[in-house]
Amino acid sequence: NAGVMQNPRHLVRRRGQEARLRCSPMKGHSHVYWYRQLPEEGLKFMVYLQKENIIDESGMPKERFSAEFPKEGPSILRIQQVVRGDSAAYFCASSPRDNKNIQYFGAGTRLSVL
Amino acid sequence: KQEVTQIPAALSVPEGENLVLNCSFTDSAIYNLQWFRQDPGKGLTSLLLIQSSQREQTSGRLNASLDKSSGRSTLYIAASQPGDSATYLCAVRPINTDKLIFGTGTRLQVFP
Repeated sequence: NAGVMQNPRHLVRRRGQEARLRCSPMKGHSHVYWYRQLPEEGLKFMVYLQKENIIDESGMPKERFSAEFPKEGPSILRIQQVVRGDSAAYFCASSPRDNKNIQYFGAGTRLSVL
Repeated sequence: KQEVTQIPAALSVPEGENLVLNCSFTDSAIYNLQWFRQDPGKGLTSLLLIQSSQREQTSGRLNASLDKSSGRSTLYIAASQPGDSATYLCAVRPINTDKLIFGTGTRLQVFP
């Protein structure tokens, strides 16, 4: 059973471009969480999704950021018109359908905005 | 608002020492507390999960305690090894939410 898979591992974008980060949860997991880790800071919650539903987006910036978890395929975190301040490590975690007690984390995507 | 603090921010010790890492949180209304390990450029590895009704959990050389009423947890590492060098994060899951609130971590270096 493969772990939480995130790709790409590293992503470089110029200011104004779009960044798309993908997360495939562990097999049998239907809950996905995204966190952001800014340089020298702790992880901050962004959004919690179930299949086709956003459950909690209280940590998402109001503009330029969106997330989805379609019925088929990976969860996507999309950042439009990236700025230098978006440079960070973005981590995805997943939980099983019947147990949200523990979240399993992926290796993260490191976004660098030039 | 739940806030999680970890002390110390960094720690450097010789191999073989027993260590205590501290985590404190401001709101005792939590489901659980989790300790993670993060290696440079890598993801998070869960070390120990303590439910709110539990007092401690042990795994190998690691022991984590939880005192919910005082808002504190400690991670005890026995007989430290250079391979233990990493950043250790604690996170709480507040009740009525599904998100984790993380501390800023303790960066541990164990030298031979």
